[in-house]
Amino acid sequence: GQNIDQPTEMTATEGAIVQINCTYQTSGFNGLFWYQQHAGEAPTFLSYNVLDGLEEKGRFSSFLSRSKGYSYLLLKELQMKDSASYLCAVRVFQTGANNLFFGTGTRLTVIP
Amino acid sequence: EAQVTQNPRYLITVTGKKLTVTCSQNMNHEYMSWYRQDPGLGLRQIYYSMNVEVTDKGDVPEGYKVSRKEKRNFPLILESPSPNQTSLYFCASRDQGTYEQYFGPGTRLTVT
Repeated sequence: GQNIDQPTEMTATEGAIVQINCTYQTSGFNGLFWYQQHAGEAPTFLSYNVLDGLEEKGRFSSFLSRSKGYSYLLLKELQMKDSASYLCAVRVFQTGANNLFFGTGTRLTVIP
Repeated sequence: EAQVTQNPRYLITVTGKKLTVTCSQNMNHEYMSWYRQDPGLGLRQIYYSMNVEVTDKGDVPEGYKVSRKEKRNFPLILESPSPNQTSLYFCASRDQGTYEQYFGPGTRLTVT
């Protein structure tokens, strides 16, 4: 089975930086995704890492260490609209297909 | 506009009454998938399909059926719904050779 852990809730201040961690234990690892999901809406793609290192995209960055089974999502210059759940998902190759396994999500609340 | 559509968006039904949730994508994607999302459990895969007439079980297939007769459609069938299938359901699709998955808007199902 796949085991993916991330904190349940986090709170941060508008304008600040927040780091959301994700650890995983999987077999057939083939990449890691971060999604943003506002309440009652569909997840939207933020980032994808398959190699070790940092991927930067505007205010969002994602880091992966495959040897440690660890990733983080870094959000800079936080805005109120960043209040949402952030889902870590591991892509696993099994039985001839790439499937996604999700963590339970981290609910981020941005306060003024 | 490239999109994944689901119908209905909201459904309240009774135990044992067969229902179908439709999913359609207009991007000619080979891969389609169904997830359910429950508080504290995250997104869990129900079934996936790698192409027409090719379907396979995900993590939580019990109580569900799917079919893939056409590339664009991937309906989810609940032959005899039970209250534990009350959940938020998402359909998703992607190109076989790519990694980004596109999610539909979700279907909130309540079984009483």
